[in-house]
Parts: sequence; structure tokens; C-alpha cells
Amino acid sequence: KAGVTQTPRYLIKTRGQQVTLSCSPISGHRSVSWYQQTPGQGLQFLFEYFSETQRNKGNFPGRFSGRQFSNSRSEMNVSTLELGDSALYLCASSSTGVTNTEAFFGQGTRLTVV
Amino acid sequence: TQLLEQSPQFLSIQEGENLTVYCNSSSVFSSLQWYRQEPGEGPVLLVTVVTGGEVKKLKRLTFQFGDARKDSSLHITAAQPGDTGLYLCAGVRGEYGNKLVFGAGTILRVKS
Repeated sequence: KAGVTQTPRYLIKTRGQQVTLSCSPISGHRSVSWYQQTPGQGLQFLFEYFSETQRNKGNFPGRFSGRQFSNSRSEMNVSTLELGDSALYLCASSSTGVTNTEAFFGQGTRLTVV
Repeated sequence: TQLLEQSPQFLSIQEGENLTVYCNSSSVFSSLQWYRQEPGEGPVLLVTVVTGGEVKKLKRLTFQFGDARKDSSLHITAAQPGDTGLYLCAGVRGEYGNKLVFGAGTILRVKS
């Protein structure tokens, strides 16, 4: 069974640009969550999608957005990039829509904003 | 302010020593999960504890969930270099959906 796949693995962007990150969950998983990991703030929840609907949202500015497709694949978009957006972006997939479900993480996308 | 306080932040020990990592909060969680993360990789789930007072063992790792479901601990017996990594606790607050609140993590280094 294939794991969670995130693409690309590494990305370098310039301030002001926008970026789109992709996440393919484990087959059959309908919930995809996104997290930002930085040395200073640790892992912080961005948002969760379930059956193409955003179900939970963290405390990030509107520059961060996402969506989920009918095949459960998800994309995350960051517009008007800032230096502080440099981070490891992780997505996690879960099998059901119920809480306490195990989350399986991808390897992440390392975004560097210069 | 972290909702989940993890301690210690760093731990450097010799192979064969025992250690305990703590995860504390003033909030109640419906469940708590422990992950280990290695450099360049995503976190890997080690265990989920759900019931207050629950104790789970995974080989040399023992996980405990506090009676009030506000805190948890991870104890490693006879640590090995392969245990080296970032250990993260994450709480689920019972809100609908999958939203994890993470502690800041404990960096463990086991020297041979």
C-alpha cells in the first residue's frame, strides 16, 4: 500500500511569488490535513479537508488556502510569499472523518523563500 | 504559548540508559498520539492513547495517558542509537475532524 506522497520535495521561491504544493493521500483515505513545521513554532495545523470540504482551519492568514479533489488528492496554495513562509509543509491522511483517527504523514515539501 | 508543553527539549544520553519524555497541558484531550520524526522525513505514528490512565507498551517504549487525560509520558528503557530522533506528542481535542495540536518536541540523541 503506497504511503502519502507529497510533491515537490524541495522548492525555492522568491518573495511575492505564489506556490502550490500537492498531496496524494493513502488510497481510500478521505481526510487530508496540512501542517507547517518550523524550528521556532514547531508543527502547526493549517487546515483539513474531508470529501472536498474544508472542515477545520488553523490560525493562518488568508494567503494560505487549499482544496481537495474528488479523488481525495489535495493541494495547498500560498500567495504573496514572505520569508517567514520558509518551512517544511507536511500533509497527513486519515481513513475516516471521525476524531482520534491515526494520521499518516508524507515526507513533506521543504519550501525556501528567498 | 504551547497548548501542549513537552519536556525536556533536548536529551543526550548514552546507549543503555533509560529516559522519560513528558507532555503536559491544562486542557483535556480526547486522545493523545506520540510520533517520532527523523531528519528529512515526516512524523511516524508510534502510539495512540485514548483512555485516562491507559498504559501501552511498544517493545522498549512505554506510553502512559494521565487519569485526567491532560498529560502523557513516554519512557524508553535501555535506549539505543536507533532511538535517536525528534519525539512529538499531539493531542486531539474532540473537535470534529482530524486536527492535531502538537507539542514542541523532544530531540533525543543516543550515543553509542
